[in-house]
Amino acid sequence: AQSVAQPEDQVNVAEGNPLTVKCTYSVSGNPYLFWYVQYPNRGLQFLLKYITGDNLVKGSYGFEAEFNKSQTSFHLKKPSALVSDSALYFCAVSYYSSASKIIFGSGTRLSIRP
Amino acid sequence: ETGVTQTPRHLVMGMTNKKSLKCEQHLGHNAMYWYKQSAKKPLELMFVYSLEERVENNSVPSRFSPECPNSSHLFLHLHTLQPEDSALYLCASSQTGTDQDTQYFGPGTRLTVL
Repeated sequence: AQSVAQPEDQVNVAEGNPLTVKCTYSVSGNPYLFWYVQYPNRGLQFLLKYITGDNLVKGSYGFEAEFNKSQTSFHLKKPSALVSDSALYFCAVSYYSSASKIIFGSGTRLSIRP
Repeated sequence: ETGVTQTPRHLVMGMTNKKSLKCEQHLGHNAMYWYKQSAKKPLELMFVYSLEERVENNSVPSRFSPECPNSSHLFLHLHTLQPEDSALYLCASSQTGTDQDTQYFGPGTRLTVL
């Protein structure tokens, strides 16, 4: 069965430090991988995606993610965290370009302390 | 702004009421979605409308009924809801066949059922 896991409910990081939000997936075939962010009282906002090609994907607001096929992971990273990065982050995976085939993780709350 | 609007932003209703949520997308997309977001639960896909398919999550109760009169508008009709239906209801759209299902979300409707 296709699935995506975000093993950490919450990640706490000091401002200026690097941050990592973890995501692992299980799909048959080649996955399409996404990260979304949700700020309070807002909908989900697209950050970045991996379809094919370079394993390191760069996205909005200085975020990047690395696709690791052997570890079936797609961790979200940022070299220097900002307080404004505090939000809820969702990893998502699909294995087919079909409207109903995308699966979201349960989300990781990122908290950046000043 | 993502180009997806939802009204109302907040709704309080009794269990015997009938109400509708509205979603409109200004992105020229051909697929629209309803999601339910409850606290500490994964995002739940409720319904999908696209040129290729209409998908209903079989676990969604019949007290929720979608309507998609055209590719830009999506409604969720609510009747005789239960308190456990209180949640954030998110609408999204995408262009199937391109972007590998990058979905763009509206701000959501916060529903409270008394």
